[in-house]
Amino acid sequence: AQSVTQLDSQVPVFEEAPVELRCNYSSSVSVYLFWYVQYPNQGLQLLLKYLSGSTLVKGINGFEAEFNKSQTSFHLRKPSVHISDTAEYFCAVTMDSSYKLIFGSGTRLLVRP
Amino acid sequence: DAGVIQSPRHEVTEMGQEVTLRCKPISGHNSLFWYRQTMMRGLELLIYFNNNVPIDDSGMPEDRFSAKMPNASFSTLKIQPSEPRDSAVYFCASSFVRTGNTGELFFGEGSRLTVL
Repeated sequence: AQSVTQLDSQVPVFEEAPVELRCNYSSSVSVYLFWYVQYPNQGLQLLLKYLSGSTLVKGINGFEAEFNKSQTSFHLRKPSVHISDTAEYFCAVTMDSSYKLIFGSGTRLLVRP
Repeated sequence: DAGVIQSPRHEVTEMGQEVTLRCKPISGHNSLFWYRQTMMRGLELLIYFNNNVPIDDSGMPEDRFSAKMPNASFSTLKIQPSEPRDSAVYFCASSFVRTGNTGELFFGEGSRLTVL
């Protein structure tokens, strides 16, 4: 069965500092990987996705993630965060051709001035 | 373009009352999902519809929960009778699912349910 682990429940960081949000998954088959962001009192929206090809994926708002098959990881990074990046970030996985998206427990990114 | 529209945004009710949450998916999408979000359990998939047909309802907690999709532009999630442990944010999401699905879901803003 698939699962997604986000080890950090909260990541505090100062504005303009770099950040990495960690995501590890377990699956015995090929997967598609996603990062979603949830701003306060809003639904989730897609940041970026990995389907195939280049392991470095660029998304919206300056975020990027790297797929590492050997480490079964898909960590999210941003070189310089803004106050407006404060939100909850969810990693998710689905098998090829599956409708079922499995979400991690989320990481709250708190950007301080 | 309009996104996924959910109503009501907030609902406060008393234990035992019936609750109906509504969702209008994005036009042209063929799949609709109901998720529940709580602090304890995170995001849980309740039910998945494809072309208005329920495909997977294994996440529906119990018989008190029911969901319908009478047409491609409308779905309801009903809880009867409601209990305090049903308090959560309920999200509706839609997608266009096909062979080689990319899995990108478009979420509504959610319905926050409080059962007293």
